[in-house]
Amino acid sequence: DGGITQSPKYLFRKEGQNVTLSCEQNLNHDAMYWYRQDPGQGLRLIYYSQIVNDFQKGDIAEGYSVSREKKESFPLTVTSAQKNPTAFYLCASTAAGRQSSGNTIYFGEGSWLTVV
Amino acid sequence: AQTVTQSQPEMSVQEAETVTLSCTYDTSESNYYLFWYKQPPSRQMILVIRQEAYKQQNATENRFSVNFQKAAKSFSLKISDSQLGDTAMYFCAFMKRNAGGTSYGKLTFGQGTILTVHP
Repeated sequence: DGGITQSPKYLFRKEGQNVTLSCEQNLNHDAMYWYRQDPGQGLRLIYYSQIVNDFQKGDIAEGYSVSREKKESFPLTVTSAQKNPTAFYLCASTAAGRQSSGNTIYFGEGSWLTVV
Repeated sequence: AQTVTQSQPEMSVQEAETVTLSCTYDTSESNYYLFWYKQPPSRQMILVIRQEAYKQQNATENRFSVNFQKAAKSFSLKISDSQLGDTAMYFCAFMKRNAGGTSYGKLTFGQGTILTVHP
């Protein structure tokens, strides 16, 4: 089935470590995104990518890095510079361009990151 | 920059009744999309309904409908015949529509409304 796969679902990070969250989609979507959700809060955009080998910072990019080497993959690295990384992370994608579907955003099932 | 405001942190409704969730937004854009997403305890984000701002007709999807007031920048969600499975957090979201109809999915979310449906 087509969709977005995020892994791992749960991840624990020690202070000072970098960790990478995986996001893979087989929807042939051009654009991919990473959002962060804190408990009881809405989603905030970390990074997004419209095409391969290109990406832009979102509203809260500090302490994070991404790459987009393949259309179907958009991994997020949470670096040690991110002071408060404990949160729920959601990856999303959309078929950018002139789409009659109205550019609906599809989400993965999310990854929980906890600092220990 | 856009902002989205959901002024009701929590709502509750009896099963089979109707409930309306409020959303207001602020933008200088004239072309955009508005969405309602549902997030159940599983945390999966599920699209409930979508509205194109250039369409005057309010969107409907089965038991879900919206009241879109563009001039007032209001986008409320009405859930009819509420079911226990509707219990979730609901998010209102805004996305700019570029010239030519393209967009790149930079969603701006509200803070969410927790809806509880009681039997």
